[in-house]
Amino acid sequence: NAGVTQTPKFQVLKTGQSMTLQCAQDMNHNSMYWYRQDPGMGLRLIYYSASEGTTDKGEVPNGYNVSRLNKREFSLRLESAAPSQTSVYFCASSFSGSNEQFFGPGTRLTVL
Amino acid sequence: GIQVEQSPPDLILQEGANSTLRCNFSDSVNNLQWFHQNPWGQLINLFYIPSGTKQNGRLSATTVATERYSLLYISSSQTTDSGVYFCAVRKQDKIIFGKGTRLHILP
Repeated sequence: NAGVTQTPKFQVLKTGQSMTLQCAQDMNHNSMYWYRQDPGMGLRLIYYSASEGTTDKGEVPNGYNVSRLNKREFSLRLESAAPSQTSVYFCASSFSGSNEQFFGPGTRLTVL
Repeated sequence: GIQVEQSPPDLILQEGANSTLRCNFSDSVNNLQWFHQNPWGQLINLFYIPSGTKQNGRLSATTVATERYSLLYISSSQTTDSGVYFCAVRKQDKIIFGKGTRLHILP
């Protein structure tokens, strides 16, 4: 099992460009999450999907959109990237909201 | 909203030493996890521990939910224990991470 995978690992964007971060899990988990981590900080929840077909805002959703494509895949889209979105983005999954989460390796995004 | 505070923020220890990391939270929670973020940025699950005590090798954790804190114990530290330790709590649909304890183990 690969667990939680994320692509790309690194990305550099110019202000105003758009991109989609991809996340997939092969653990048959129902819930999936997107977080961002800024220097010296813990992780902050951007969006989550409690189950296939549902998405909900987390703590810092502004500037992002998500799609739960199917049970395995949960993507995060930046429509018009801003320097404030420079961060490391982590995807996670769990069987349900009350179960432990497993994290992907992260995507390091720089917006110039 | 719920607040999560970790202490100490930084800790430098000699290899072989023991340490206790603390996580305080301001409200009742549905679950609590401890993670280790290694120097390469990877987040590794340590414990899922909404209450009680668990042990895994040199690491153990205790959560006292009624008093709103959790402790992570690391015994006989090794250099590979270096990194940042996070606790994360969940209350209903809110998931909050603490800012972490940065641990540096000297050889």
